[in-house]
Amino acid sequence: KNEVEQSPQNLTAQEGEFITINCSYSVGISALHWLQQHPGGGIVSLFMLSSGKKKHGRLIATINIQEKHSSLHITASHPRDSAVYICAAAYSGAGSYQLTFGKGTKLSVIP
Amino acid sequence: NAGVTQTPKFQVLKTGQSMTLQCAQDMNHEYMSWYRQDPGMGLRLIHYSVGAGITDQGEVPNGYNVSRSTTEDFPLRLLSAAPSQTSVYFCASSYLWAGYTEAFFGQGTRLTVV
Repeated sequence: KNEVEQSPQNLTAQEGEFITINCSYSVGISALHWLQQHPGGGIVSLFMLSSGKKKHGRLIATINIQEKHSSLHITASHPRDSAVYICAAAYSGAGSYQLTFGKGTKLSVIP
Repeated sequence: NAGVTQTPKFQVLKTGQSMTLQCAQDMNHEYMSWYRQDPGMGLRLIHYSVGAGITDQGEVPNGYNVSRSTTEDFPLRLLSAAPSQTSVYFCASSYLWAGYTEAFFGQGTRLTVV
């Protein structure tokens, strides 16, 4: 069974700080998703990547397939970045796929 | 483009009652799925579907039923609600090869069973 571990569980940062959230998975996957969940809100997809690096605004996601590890970076953090960030590993088989989710990292950015 | 529409947003049930959580998507996605989110745990897969008429069980299927009569709709039925089913439920959809494409989530349903 694929397991996904995220660290840290909780993270408090001052506005402007550079933030890194880590995600490790246990078996080979087809892709890694990073998701954002605001308090009381739904879940929004930030990135889906299977290799290398992707960037969207102040967010950067990287993945190292050999080391089974992915990171989400936030540059120049802002209070509106406060949310739970979730990584999910996608593994495929038999014409379908399933996502295995990490427990999430709760980020609080203080002004 | 509405994306994934999930209703209701909140629901309180008494033990033993039944109800249906609705999920609809307008993106012509083949793959639809239901998850539950509990404190201290990652989202867990309840049931999923790879197309109309095809459904399969996920990690925690007991006490839930699904059907997929159309590409757009994927309702989740609680047959006889139990307090252990108190949770936040999310519906999601994607193209089938969402090992390689983005997944879209509904806004969630907060269900309390008393």
